[in-house]
Order: sequence, then structure tokens, then C-alpha cells
Amino acid sequence: DTEVTQTPKHLVMGMTNKKSLKCEQHMGHRAMYWYKQKAKKPPELMFVYSYEKLSINESVPSRFSPECPNSSLLNLHLHALQPEDSALYLCASSLLVGGSQYFGPGTRLTVL
Amino acid sequence: EDKVVQSPLSLVVHEGDTVTLNCSYEVTNFRSLLWYKQEKKAPTFLFMLTSSGIEKKSGRLSSILDKKELFSILNITATQTGDSAIYLCAVLRSGGSNYKLTFGKGTLLTVNP
Repeated sequence: DTEVTQTPKHLVMGMTNKKSLKCEQHMGHRAMYWYKQKAKKPPELMFVYSYEKLSINESVPSRFSPECPNSSLLNLHLHALQPEDSALYLCASSLLVGGSQYFGPGTRLTVL
Repeated sequence: EDKVVQSPLSLVVHEGDTVTLNCSYEVTNFRSLLWYKQEKKAPTFLFMLTSSGIEKKSGRLSSILDKKELFSILNITATQTGDSAIYLCAVLRSGGSNYKLTFGKGTLLTVNP
């Protein structure tokens, strides 16, 4: 299995909603990442987990809350988002931090 | 502040042409440089370069890193229309438990039949 899967594929939410994005890989990778990508822009790194421990990115607002329940799963909890948070949210994994990254297909998020 | 600059920003070629994409960088505590191809969906990993002067190859694609001059190139020979995509360069730096990956703006490659 050389896939990174993400659910849902599309998500529309209001500014008062709470939702979660999910990412899963079964390649035995110990590093997992969340990226945000706006249209026609390169991906922006949000969070990195290495061996289920978070490497904090200080520029990410607290309305985004990551969680790594185990080495195969990565969640991104969303609460009180703003319309400008609408973007493609990409998950990636690599064997170790800094290694070849494999991306999931992304979740297209729209905040109304 | 870390900088990753890709050139050209866009390029139009004909099938069969050879192209060279450039990526220069200024980062502290450099760890590796990565190349990705992005079509309409998520980026696809191409290469990770850590050592200077060692060429990595995958089919018609190859890449090399120069850590002295702080740049990398991505070559594509005998281009095909399926090579049309945005090619992203990213540089990883790390120090202790900190980690940062900075992307360039990308090169939009269009290969015409």
C-alpha cells in the first residue's frame, strides 16, 4: 500500500461549525504533514508530526488543531474558521522527517 | 528569512524539446531540496537531493544540487504533453526539533504537441 488517503474529498462548512479532516497511511511512515494550498499558490506547511509528536508551526491560528492518534492517522480539527481559510488541505507522509513525501489527494474546504 | 526562487516562472516548449528548470535558495541549516510535479491535484514527489554533485535520474527527468552555489536544476529531456504541469522546488531546513519546508512559486511548464 503506497497511498495516502484523505477524507472527505470536499467539505463545506459555516463559520460556527466544528469539523475534522482525516488522513491515513499504511506505509510505516513516521512523519506526517498538513499543508494548506490556495489557488495558484505553492503549498504552505502547517504542521509536522514526527513519531506522533508535534513540531509546532507558530504561524498557524489556533482554530486549526492537529491530532495524531497513532502512527497511521492524522487529523485536523477545524473550529470557527473564516472564509479566507477556504483552500485545498493536503496531507503528506514520509518515512522520516525530511524524506520523500507522498501526498494525499487533498480535501477541498469551503468556509461560508 | 528563507528564500526559494524558481525560474523561469513559466515556459512553453514543443514536444521533444529539452528543458531546464532552476531553483536557487537561501536558507540556514539546509537539510535537503525536493522537487515536485503538480498537475490539477496534489503534488507528486520527484526527487530529494541532499548531497552536492550527485545526479538523480528517473526516466527522462534528472536533477542535481550545488550546495556551494545554492541552486538545483531539474532537466526534462524529450518532453511530452504529459509533462505539462507546475514544477515546485522546496527546501527543508532543520535545527534541533524545529523543521521548516519552504516552497518556491513554481515553474509552469506547457508542452505543446
